[in-house]
Amino acid sequence: RKEVEQDPGPFNVPEGATVAFNCTYSNSASQSFFWYRQDCRKEPKLLMSVYSSGNEDGRFTAQLNRASQYISLLIRDSKLSDSATYLCVVNLGSNDYKLSFGAGTTVTVRA
Amino acid sequence: GAGVSQSPSNKVTEKGKDVELRCDPISGHTALYWYRQSLGQGLEFLIYFQGNSAPDKSGLPSDRFSAERTGGSVSTLTIQRTQQEDSAVYLCASSLGSLAGWDGEQFFGPGTRLTVL
Repeated sequence: RKEVEQDPGPFNVPEGATVAFNCTYSNSASQSFFWYRQDCRKEPKLLMSVYSSGNEDGRFTAQLNRASQYISLLIRDSKLSDSATYLCVVNLGSNDYKLSFGAGTTVTVRA
Repeated sequence: GAGVSQSPSNKVTEKGKDVELRCDPISGHTALYWYRQSLGQGLEFLIYFQGNSAPDKSGLPSDRFSAERTGGSVSTLTIQRTQQEDSAVYLCASSLGSLAGWDGEQFFGPGTRLTVL
């Protein structure tokens, strides 16, 4: 079983729509969770950390469900510039700096 | 400030040749990581350096792969006797790495696109 699994998509949505997707992780000892964004042929960049109580950053909302071991990302009022691959990232154990990256969920926002 | 830099940006080599890929992390970052990403695939962890500790080499796919980090800064990933399946983008990342300062963010370089003919 992969450490982090994501629906690859693609999610094709019109501008202004809401899109949401999940990822699941296998290591119950994981303590740190993130969403990274990767544009085509570019390096990944941190989008946001995911906190236990859930957190928002503008139009982006992240949730963590430890019991079911999944993380979600919701994008409201989608913009064309949100088109990218979103990587779910989890550390491999408590106090572990090593991160495991999911293969990514591709989102395409159309005009 | 300067981000993570990698060189070369592109490398085309013939099967069987050795290649060296270089990474300059952000100054002050104690943790350095190498990943590779094949077309349409996720990031595959290769190796991790943390300060002066012994590196975690658990992700290296074969003994043809090795990496060094000199003086706690610049790192070199070496692939010996390259094979066609080694073709990928090799990404380097660095992070603060200390419990006190680590918020999980890894800063990535632009990568080296390796093509083995």
